[in-house]
Amino acid sequence: DTGVSQNPRHKITKRGQNVTFRCDPISEHNRLYWYRQTLGQGPEFLTYFQNEAQLEKSRLLSDRFSAERPKGSFSTLEIQRTEQGDSAMYLCASSLLAASYEQYFGPGTRLTVT
Amino acid sequence: GQQVMQIPQYQHVQEGEDFTTYCNSSTTLSNIQWYKQRPGGHPVFLIQLVKSGEVKKQKRLTFQFGEAKKNSSLHITATQTTDVGTYFCAGASYDSGYSTLTFGKGTMLLVSP
Repeated sequence: DTGVSQNPRHKITKRGQNVTFRCDPISEHNRLYWYRQTLGQGPEFLTYFQNEAQLEKSRLLSDRFSAERPKGSFSTLEIQRTEQGDSAMYLCASSLLAASYEQYFGPGTRLTVT
Repeated sequence: GQQVMQIPQYQHVQEGEDFTTYCNSSTTLSNIQWYKQRPGGHPVFLIQLVKSGEVKKQKRLTFQFGEAKKNSSLHITATQTTDVGTYFCAGASYDSGYSTLTFGKGTMLLVSP
């Protein structure tokens, strides 16, 4: 399977714990995006990378969130000191270059903070 | 910041009826993309529109981009049960330097046989 993969698919954690998610994009794709989606909403942009460079972060993104793409391949999204409001589906997507190219989404990681 | 609004939020049709969802942006868009998300699934790209007034067709689906590049629509002719899902529009605006997509909240389509 050469699509976008995400791990884990589900994560249940207690409030205050740190969690880390991984995304493996389609290999030839330069851009990698992280989104958050809650029930009844569209994907909400969090941040994106072009190769290993993080080019933009949402102004709404808390400082508890950090993302890396160290070698321009896979990416990790870490949430520190999780809160119940962080419960959501975290989606990763990749594209060849820019927003003018279609984005391929992974299956997502569903986070539940208890 | 840029906002993308979609109406209706939800529509329930009988199989064979037509369906239309509308998308409006608060800012001029460089392009608009449409995605479909099946229940329990992830968004899947359907199409991209770039030119003012552009119309594209995919079998029973017709997509339009407004002349002012601030609105778009998706029309499905003779819906089938396989059309069930949530349809999202997503726009890239000049304000964002074309680099990020802003998604609407989507229109959930339910089709009864």
